[in-house]
Amino acid sequence: EPEVTQTPSHQVTQMGQEVILRCVPISNHLYFYWYRQILGQKVEFLVSFYNNEISEKSEIFDDQFSVERPDGSNFTLKIRSTKLEDSAMYFCASSGGGVENTGELFFGEGSRLTVL
Amino acid sequence: GEDVEQSLFLSVREGDSSVINCTYTDSSSTYLYWYKQEPGAGLQLLTYIFSNMDMKQDQRLTVLLNKKDKHLSLRIADTQTGDSAIYFCAESNRYGNKLVFGAGTILRVKS
Repeated sequence: EPEVTQTPSHQVTQMGQEVILRCVPISNHLYFYWYRQILGQKVEFLVSFYNNEISEKSEIFDDQFSVERPDGSNFTLKIRSTKLEDSAMYFCASSGGGVENTGELFFGEGSRLTVL
Repeated sequence: GEDVEQSLFLSVREGDSSVINCTYTDSSSTYLYWYKQEPGAGLQLLTYIFSNMDMKQDQRLTVLLNKKDKHLSLRIADTQTGDSAIYFCAESNRYGNKLVFGAGTILRVKS
């Protein structure tokens, strides 16, 4: 069964460093998303991406964050200068967008980011 | 803004039914979802319901939607120890776009 894959599964970084989280969405999907879950809190929407541009973003997704689909298969989330409060589990998701699309988001297993 | 609320914890005995409840505030919610998260794993979609339905059954899972009260429930029949996980309610008002999640309900199944 096709799945969304994310790397790394866990990254530890120093405050102020840049981090890139990588995702490979399901190959025929058109919509891509990043969500995050701070430990013990709700899963929060960060950004959605369609047709090579951001379609919606939340207040959390400030200038420190950026997304990119550099090569038609990867979908990346970059945090330019990490802060302690960026420590969280980051989930990538994709959805189809075709005629048979049910709106279901398929999630990856997450990348845990720890900022020291 | 949109908000989704769930009870935090539910404990049941193996073989019993589990009912996990959720309330939401967005009256334009179109899709309502139940996701399951096992320890160390991602979010697995269990089932979803369109807002024009009031019930959906899928094997051991029954979803009930009371749109007037903005109340969603997930019933798991014959709960097994493998059902122990965190269950998230989520809603969206558009076609598979931004989801608003609840905080999750921890389901513990005692054998």
